[in-house]
Amino acid sequence: DAGVIQSPRHEVTEMGQEVTLRCKPISGHNSLFWYRQTMMRGLELLIYFNNNVPIDDSGMPEDRFSAKMPNASFSTLKIQPSEPRDSAVYFCASTQLATVEAGTEAFFGQGTRLTVV
Amino acid sequence: GENVEQHPSTLSVQEGDSAVIKCTYSDSASNYFPWYKQELGKRPQLIIDIRSNVGEKKDQRIAVTLNKTAKHFSLHITETQPEDSAVYFCAVPRAGTASKLTFGTGTRLQVTL
Repeated sequence: DAGVIQSPRHEVTEMGQEVTLRCKPISGHNSLFWYRQTMMRGLELLIYFNNNVPIDDSGMPEDRFSAKMPNASFSTLKIQPSEPRDSAVYFCASTQLATVEAGTEAFFGQGTRLTVV
Repeated sequence: GENVEQHPSTLSVQEGDSAVIKCTYSDSASNYFPWYKQELGKRPQLIIDIRSNVGEKKDQRIAVTLNKTAKHFSLHITETQPEDSAVYFCAVPRAGTASKLTFGTGTRLQVTL
């Protein structure tokens, strides 16, 4: 497997534009996560899905952010309209569902570096 | 939700010395404690993890120790090398799911020659 694949790797956009980030999880993984990483706030969990269903979106900063997972092999994170403070690296990660006792490794994609000017 | 504190935020050691990074957590039900390494410009990757049924786990030059009573766990790197320079994150699963990880704030380790 090629691992978690994100696109684009870099995105520069103007304030007010719509931005769509894409993620393909590892085949067979049931959980998918979107994280945002900044110097100030570190790695923040935005939303996660189990079996394509959004479970917890409490980390989504505001209504400008939305995420979908139409099938097991694809997810999008959309920002509309984008603002300069959204500039960050956005990571997608996937894991296999596991019991509380087992624990499971999270595999991260390469990330998308978003710059909103 | 889970509260994870990680210290120190930055750490500079000379090559060959040891480095220790500590994390404390709040949820006593947590049973899985991973450490991730993120090199500059790259993705976080798992380097070692421990489950609550053991107190220590080693993998070559890295080890993790767990104190469930005190609710803290530590990453130990011995004989540090320049390639160990990176940001290290501890993580703790949120209550009810081992998949949903809360990450610490990260420790930037610099190994100097």
